[in-house]
Amino acid sequence: NAGVTQTPKFRILKIGQSMTLQCAQDMNHNYMYWYRQDPGMGLKLIYYSVGAGITDKGEVPNGYNVSRSTTEDFPLRLELAAPSQTSVYFCASSPPGDTEAFFGQGTRLTVV
Amino acid sequence: GENVEQHPSTLSVQEGDSAVIKCTYSDSASNYFPWYKQELGKRPQLIIDIRSNVGEKKDQRIAVTLNKTAKHFSLHITETQPEDSAVYFCAAIPTGGYQKVTFGTGTKLQVIP
Repeated sequence: NAGVTQTPKFRILKIGQSMTLQCAQDMNHNYMYWYRQDPGMGLKLIYYSVGAGITDKGEVPNGYNVSRSTTEDFPLRLELAAPSQTSVYFCASSPPGDTEAFFGQGTRLTVV
Repeated sequence: GENVEQHPSTLSVQEGDSAVIKCTYSDSASNYFPWYKQELGKRPQLIIDIRSNVGEKKDQRIAVTLNKTAKHFSLHITETQPEDSAVYFCAAIPTGGYQKVTFGTGTKLQVIP
């Protein structure tokens, strides 16, 4: 059981470039999330999805886009990368309700 | 919206001592309070959680207490070990799940052998 798998683990982008962070889960969870983690700050929600075909903005969505065509996959797209998007990105999934969220291993992104 | 304050930001203890991390929240609608441990370079993992209808929960050396009236909850680690060294995050979640979560800013715990 792999849980939540993110790729890549590390990436350096130049300003203005685009990229997609991949996230896949094999626990059949309907709920999936993308967070960013900046030094000294808590995890901030970028986007979330409550099921295939349904996505919604979180607290910090600007500069990002997502799609959810299957239950398993929830990719995060960065368009026109900016230095402010330098961060560690975590994908997570959970069943509905008050319960544990399972996180991927993270993607460390640097925009230069 | 919800605001979660977590203190201290760093904490050093001698091996075998206890460690306490405190979080306060502002939204009375929050009713689920998980704690996550993140080892260096690794993913956050749930270590314990508490729901609003419970005042205390314990799991071996780890315990969490909740005071809903004062809107604060705390993580207690007893008999600390070097492998407890990590960053700990609290979170407050209202009905609706992690799409409405607010995380604390984290506490870096160092256990000195």
